[in-house]
Amino acid sequence: EIVLTQSPGTLSLSPGERATLFCRASQSVSTNYLAWYQQRPGQAPTLLIYGASSRATGIPDRFSGSGSGTDFTLTISRLEPEDFAVYYCQHYGSSLYTFGQGTKLEIK
Amino acid sequence: QLVESGGALVQPGGSLRLSCAASGFTVSDYYMSWVRQAPGKGLEWVSIIYTGGSTYYADSVKGRFTISRDTSKNTVYLQINSLRVEDTAVYYCARRFGGSRVFDIWGLGTMVTVSS
Repeated sequence: EIVLTQSPGTLSLSPGERATLFCRASQSVSTNYLAWYQQRPGQAPTLLIYGASSRATGIPDRFSGSGSGTDFTLTISRLEPEDFAVYYCQHYGSSLYTFGQGTKLEIK
Repeated sequence: QLVESGGALVQPGGSLRLSCAASGFTVSDYYMSWVRQAPGKGLEWVSIIYTGGSTYYADSVKGRFTISRDTSKNTVYLQINSLRVEDTAVYYCARRFGGSRVFDIWGLGTMVTVSS
């Protein structure tokens, strides 16, 4: 079973700054099946990125994803107030779906 | 849109059936899943039902949970038996987005609390 480890656990930044979030897989995974979600407090998750680098419908272009093999990155180029939330990476493999433990992006 | 219902406070060992009513699309045309989130914790995938009817489960719920659907009601269900305290969570229904193996539409969730 593949384990996804996200870092850092908490990231404290100010609006306007650049955020870089990491997701490391315990073994090499297909980029086709790596996704990122945003979850604001009290809300359901929202799909941001799929296929490691493709933005979901309606997602602003300040969000970008990259990576391959075991290391993946979500970058938010300039933080807006609504971007402060928890972010999860997710992978699919062998009919199972795995989430990372999440990174909390908080206002500094 | 997805709307979950059926969450409740239940004693350990009890059972519940969660429902997920879909609108705007037909559940039998998509792979439909349940994902849960314990209070203050991360997301945990629970189960999925494929368009052809095949079902898959996380090891933590295998043998106790059953996913199903009713096409006449455009609804997906999760039957939860032998509930444990650690099953306490918000249960989300989610639609899988095509071949990308990701979840593009989520409901608001329904809360299941297992406590004596």
